[in-house]
Amino acid sequence: EDQVTQSPEALRLQEGESSSLNCSYTVSGLRGLFWYRQDPGKGPEFLFTLYSAGEEKEKERLKATLTKKESFLHITAPKPEDSATYLCAVRYNAGNNRKLIWGLGTSLAVNP
Amino acid sequence: GAVVSQHPSWVICKSGTSVKIECRSLDFQATTMFWYRQFPKKSLMLMATSNEGSKATYEQGVEKDKFLINHASLTLSTLTVTSAHPEDSSFYICSAILAYEQYFGPGTRLTVT
Repeated sequence: EDQVTQSPEALRLQEGESSSLNCSYTVSGLRGLFWYRQDPGKGPEFLFTLYSAGEEKEKERLKATLTKKESFLHITAPKPEDSATYLCAVRYNAGNNRKLIWGLGTSLAVNP
Repeated sequence: GAVVSQHPSWVICKSGTSVKIECRSLDFQATTMFWYRQFPKKSLMLMATSNEGSKATYEQGVEKDKFLINHASLTLSTLTVTSAHPEDSSFYICSAILAYEQYFGPGTRLTVT
């Protein structure tokens, strides 16, 4: 079954304590893996798109990497303002169509 | 760039009434927009794909007569929740694609009393 699984479900860090969020997927014909940040009561904010294994992208304290089975979102020296839910989505070929499926997200809390 | 707006940001309506939510791409044209629904602490659930100038494509289980979608221009899609009921209360989010990447609006919180 095609699915996207994010772990952990929730993560609490101290300010400055680096960590990684995981997004594993079981689809064939990957056409893109997307990371978003969502604050409570807001729409998701686009962070990164990764298209092929080995690809890496960085933005400020965030770095996203991709393998053939999973993606990691590394957060270096996080600050309280990095607290949010991080969502992962995968676009893939499904017959003649392309589908997009979402993980349930990782809720990150960074304590000062 | 790639800003998507929604209006209203929140709305309260009585059961049985209809509510219209607007989604606009402010600085780009979007032939395709998407409407999602999100329950508390749950992931995004795609409701329908809105195509400019043609009928929307609804996901399985979504009532097309209840959730009317109109994509009349390249920058505007509307979602009308008809004869709303309390179970329709949710967070509705639209998105639009620019250069293969999906950008989301801020969402609309609908509460049906």
